[in-house]
Amino acid sequence: DQQVKQNSPSLSVQEGRISILNCDYTNSMFDYFLWYKKYPAEGPTFLISISSIKDKNEDGRFTVFLNKSAKHLSLHIVPSQPGDSAVYFCAASFQGGSEKLVFGKGMKLTVNP
Amino acid sequence: DAGVTQSPTHLIKTRGQQVTLRCSPKSGHDTVSWYQQALGQGPQFIFQYYEEEERQRGNFPDRFSGHQFPNYSSELNVNALLLGDSALYLCASSSGLAELDTQYFGPGTRLTVL
Repeated sequence: DQQVKQNSPSLSVQEGRISILNCDYTNSMFDYFLWYKKYPAEGPTFLISISSIKDKNEDGRFTVFLNKSAKHLSLHIVPSQPGDSAVYFCAASFQGGSEKLVFGKGMKLTVNP
Repeated sequence: DAGVTQSPTHLIKTRGQQVTLRCSPKSGHDTVSWYQQALGQGPQFIFQYYEEEERQRGNFPDRFSGHQFPNYSSELNVNALLLGDSALYLCASSSGLAELDTQYFGPGTRLTVL
């Protein structure tokens, strides 16, 4: 039973444009959401997170939006850069980012120069 | 400041054998979690160790066991290996006192079971 879903396996955008990565979840008890990115032969690297009491969190070029009623979150990257090309994972937790994380399958982002 | 380190990088075993994977957490972190990432999937939580005890466990059989040492490093042991255990095994560390409430991942150990 996939509780965290990333339904699009890949996304390709042009450098300088916006990248929008989507994630849906089924368990309304999740209270903390995170995005990680992963390069080949490396472990996942933390990008940005959001608590369920917020609907938006911004960090530089990265913004995460949370829509609790739709059980949906999205990651916006503006402007996209070639170095952003990686696999992005959405993850959710029942109690903060240090607890058990439930991951989606990931989405491969390619940013073309 | 060293991040999370794991050893070995790669490992090849045969069915029925036993394997031990090792992890050293990021400096200042006291909690270690282990995840299994199969090909084309997201990481799946195996278990978490804090104060040398298993604090949380995912949906993995008892063949998967672990240990945390007084210096916070950790081992993951898998007995009676199956072909389906072939995966990337990720270790992550965290701390309740850290500024960022998140887990930091190591590069992983690639286990191949033949």
